[in-house]
Amino acid sequence: KAGVTQTPRYLIKTRGQQVTLSCSPISGHRSVSWYQQTPGQGLQFLFEYFSETQRNKGNFPGRFSGRQFSNSRSEMNVSTLELGDSALYLCASSAKPSGGNTGELFFGEGSRLTVL
Amino acid sequence: AQSVSQHNHHVILSEAASLELGCNYSYGGTVNLFWYVQYPGQHLQLLLKYFSGDPLVKGIKGFEAEFIKSKFSFNLRKPSVQWSDTAEYFCAVMGSGSARQLTFGSGTQLTVLP
Repeated sequence: KAGVTQTPRYLIKTRGQQVTLSCSPISGHRSVSWYQQTPGQGLQFLFEYFSETQRNKGNFPGRFSGRQFSNSRSEMNVSTLELGDSALYLCASSAKPSGGNTGELFFGEGSRLTVL
Repeated sequence: AQSVSQHNHHVILSEAASLELGCNYSYGGTVNLFWYVQYPGQHLQLLLKYFSGDPLVKGIKGFEAEFIKSKFSFNLRKPSVQWSDTAEYFCAVMGSGSARQLTFGSGTQLTVLP
């Protein structure tokens, strides 16, 4: 079956703009998690959604937000972009919250955001 | 709060050399431990995981890891690396509780020279 799909794969924005990233989970998966990956900080947890509800949130400012739709697709939004927001944003899905009994998350290839 | 520390930022080996990547975690309760791998241009994928039972776990492509509770460690090993093992390796921990999340280490870039 198809894997996790993230769009767009690459995008360039300027400071102060906002961006919306999309994630379509594996069919049947209802949990979607978002991570920010940077060379200096590694992978940092942003938030997790399950059945349209935010279950958990990482330590990021309020400029970072997300939502999940009834079909389990998720979007994350970053407003008032800063240079430091340049990163690879990864989405991961699982059938149950936090990967359920196996804990395994299935990752997409990411959306690479460059802020100029 | 949980945290993960990976000791090596970049490891360079020749083919057939043995590999051991260090991983230490910090968490006061029961943990689940993972190693994920990211091959060049590909998505993160699970290499192996430990939930309970035998502390020596085997994963794909000949990798294994040993959970040593007393040392809070979960080191990754492979007896003989191949050029195709060149990738970035991430150790991760997930604590218990209803709002558990996967916390990753900073990653180790492994380069295997042919």
